[in-house]
Amino acid sequence: DAGITQSPRYKITETGRQVTLMCHQTWSHSYMFWYRQDLGHGLRLIYYSAAADITDKGEVPDGYVVSRSKTENFPLTLESATRSQTSVYFCASSAGLYNEGQFFGPGTRLTVL
Amino acid sequence: SQQGEEDPQALSIQEGENATMNCSYKTSINNLQWYRQNSGRGLVHLILIRSNEREKHSGRLRVTLDTSKKSSSLLITASRAADTASYFCATDSNDYKLSFGAGTTVTVRA
Repeated sequence: DAGITQSPRYKITETGRQVTLMCHQTWSHSYMFWYRQDLGHGLRLIYYSAAADITDKGEVPDGYVVSRSKTENFPLTLESATRSQTSVYFCASSAGLYNEGQFFGPGTRLTVL
Repeated sequence: SQQGEEDPQALSIQEGENATMNCSYKTSINNLQWYRQNSGRGLVHLILIRSNEREKHSGRLRVTLDTSKKSSSLLITASRAADTASYFCATDSNDYKLSFGAGTTVTVRA
């Protein structure tokens, strides 16, 4: 199916565990982004990528790791999950410098116990 | 930190009425975008207005931008129940990272 998908959609994990959230897009967009959404904070950028093998930190990168070996995939890893990382995570992609806006995935709701 | 701030935080209107929400930002921008988020879903891009534009229309949406006041407004005309959602403004400064506000929650009553 065309578009941007995220998996899993829901995840419950425990403090200290490693968790990887997956993001896949079929448009061959150059740019991909990870955001977290928390009440009262709107969306905050965690990491972004301008192309395969090019990633950079956003506003709240601590505790997260990303990689982008292929253009279509942009996984986000929480190396040692903490309760403060309980959130809804959104992946997004765009073809260029926001000429058409960003396309968002459906989100992953992560709960860290 | 958030660049954009929406006002009001919440808005409740009757079907058929117009809904207006505002966005203020702090630093100069290249463009400003508006997104909609239905409950439990991802954001959907609605409209983009560039810094050299003052007004833009898309269907029932009208966006204005006043760079001297660092503010934008989104008007939804003839609202429908399907317009019930949260609306976010997002600003793009000198790089391709977007900064989102906390959003305005719009409820359209039948």
